Amino acid sequence: DAKTTQPNSMESNEEEPVHLPCNHSTISGTDYIHWYRQLPSQGPEYVIHGLTSNVNNRMASLAIAEDRKSSTLILHRATLRDAAVYYCIPSQGGSEKLVFGKGTKLTVNP
Amino acid sequence: GAVVSQHPSRVICKSGTSVKIECRSLDFQATTMFWYRQFPKKSLMLMATSNEGSKATYEQGVEKDKFLINHASLTLSTLTVTSAHPEDSSFYICSASGLAGGKGYEQYFGPGTRLTVT
Repeated sequence: DAKTTQPNSMESNEEEPVHLPCNHSTISGTDYIHWYRQLPSQGPEYVIHGLTSNVNNRMASLAIAEDRKSSTLILHRATLRDAAVYYCIPSQGGSEKLVFGKGTKLTVNP
Repeated sequence: GAVVSQHPSRVICKSGTSVKIECRSLDFQATTMFWYRQFPKKSLMLMATSNEGSKATYEQGVEKDKFLINHASLTLSTLTVTSAHPEDSSFYICSASGLAGGKGYEQYFGPGTRLTVT
């Protein structure tokens, strides 16, 4: 299984962009990179996923390094509602299983 | 996005009793559902993978006789915690899998069930 490394915590100010990094140096060539987030006392929420190309959706952008050993989740303008734990999760050899690491706890300051 | 519900949202039970938690996909059919457990300030831990009409696949270290999983239809999976003990107190979360374009899968999570065993 691919291992991930994320900072334990990050802080941002409201209305500013946030770049959340993730290292996944052991990822295989066909594994997708998924990002989920979890607000306190709630189930996780899908954010975005990608394989090789950078991806954008209404929530965020995902920048994937050319060698795919790292990726960065970009929140273009952080809001207080974006305060959550963000998980970077490579898929497991094509399996649907998600193996959650410790994630990054994002604090957004008003 | 797709909606997954869980019932109940909170439950308190006495030690030695059994508790059933339901997970429903409300607007799509889920051939695969997953059950997770999360202790305070910890990450989610996958307990088992549930496929409609077949036996669940449990992760290493999870007792299948204690955590009974039934996935009788494409929209409903249940987790029964049998003979519950205080150490089973936790936040139980289910998810349902759906295709998110290409080969990547997106999981839709329920809101979780807080179980407290007294």
